[in-house]
Amino acid sequence: DTGVSQNPRHKITKRGQNVTFRCDPISEHNRLYWYRQTLGQGPEFLTYFQNEAQLEKSRLLSDRFSAERPKGSFSTLEIQRTEQGDSAMYLCASSLVNSEAFFGQGTRLTVV
Amino acid sequence: GQQVMQIPQYQHVQEGEDFTTYCNSSTTLSNIQWYKQRPGGHPVFLIQLVKSGEVKKQKRLTFQFGEAKKNSSLHITATQTTDVGTYFCAGPQRGANSKLTFGKGITLSVRP
Repeated sequence: DTGVSQNPRHKITKRGQNVTFRCDPISEHNRLYWYRQTLGQGPEFLTYFQNEAQLEKSRLLSDRFSAERPKGSFSTLEIQRTEQGDSAMYLCASSLVNSEAFFGQGTRLTVV
Repeated sequence: GQQVMQIPQYQHVQEGEDFTTYCNSSTTLSNIQWYKQRPGGHPVFLIQLVKSGEVKKQKRLTFQFGEAKKNSSLHITATQTTDVGTYFCAGPQRGANSKLTFGKGITLSVRP
């Protein structure tokens, strides 16, 4: 499978715990995006990378969220001290610059 | 702030009816992309428009980019139940190489 892969697909965690998600993009894609989606809403931008450089982080994102793409390949998104409001689908997408995005199937986070 | 707007958020049609939805950007876009998300799925790329006034067709779907490159439309002829889903437009709002910003989408339901 050469598509975008996200792990895990589902995560249930207790409030206050830290969670980390992984995204493996399409190998030749230099752009990698993280979005968050809640029911009935469009993908909300969180952050994106071009190669290993993090180009932008949403101002709506608290300091509890951090993302890395250490070698310009896979990326991780960590949420520290999770809150119930963090419950959502976390989508990763990859692309070439100025080209269409390919989405992974997402990681569904439930904070209890 | 910079926004990509899709109104209304929901539309219900009778199978066989035509359907048109619009997307408006607060800034000029170098290109606009449309995605479809089926219930329980992830966004899947449909098409990209680049030129002012460009029209592209995919079977019963017709996409148009506005002359000012700030709006776009999606028209579906003779809707079918397979057209059910949420349609998002997205574009780079701060120049061709900037991040993709998504609208909130329009969820289409089709009565058989």
